[in-house]
Amino acid sequence: EPEVTQTPSHQVTQMGQEVILRCVPISNHLYFYWYRQILGQKVEFLVSFYNNEISEKSEIFDDQFSVERPDGSNFTLKIRSTKLEDSAMYFCASMMNTNTGELFFGEGSRLTVL
Amino acid sequence: AQTVTQSQPEMSVQEAETVTLSCTYDTSESDYYLFWYKQPPSRQMILVIRQEAYKQQNATENRFSVNFQKAAKSFSLKISDSQLGDAAMYFCAYRSPNTGNQFYFGTGTSLTVIP
Repeated sequence: EPEVTQTPSHQVTQMGQEVILRCVPISNHLYFYWYRQILGQKVEFLVSFYNNEISEKSEIFDDQFSVERPDGSNFTLKIRSTKLEDSAMYFCASMMNTNTGELFFGEGSRLTVL
Repeated sequence: AQTVTQSQPEMSVQEAETVTLSCTYDTSESDYYLFWYKQPPSRQMILVIRQEAYKQQNATENRFSVNFQKAAKSFSLKISDSQLGDAAMYFCAYRSPNTGNQFYFGTGTSLTVIP
């Protein structure tokens, strides 16, 4: 069964460093998302991406964040200069179309900022 | 923004028994979608069940069913004949077709199944 894959599963970085989290969505899906979950808190929306551009972003998704779909398969989230409060589990998700409405999630990338 | 509230941070159920997880949401829209997602430990979230707001009939998927009360903005999940594999974090989610198809999640309910 096709699935969303994410790498790395866990990354530890120093504050101020750049981090890139990678995702390979399901191949025939058209809508792509990044969510994050700080330990013990709710799953929060970061950004949605459709037709090679950001369709919506939350207040969390400030200038330190960017997304890219460079080659038609990978969907990356870059954090330019990490802060302690960026420590969280980051989930990539994809959706085929708005009719089905089902989000398929990856297993997440745990980011620890020291 | 829409809010989704899950008032039960933790629930437990005896194996083979039935448990109901509650979820309420706040919206002014009439057309939307509601979901329950399951997140086993260290695994990705997977869809359990989906409900379209325009459908009056409650969705059912095997042992999982919902009680959708549109006027009350309530969307509870009932798990019948609970199994050990049902132990997980359960998230209620709302999606509006009018806000970029963004999903809004509740804080989750951690379900323990007691053998």
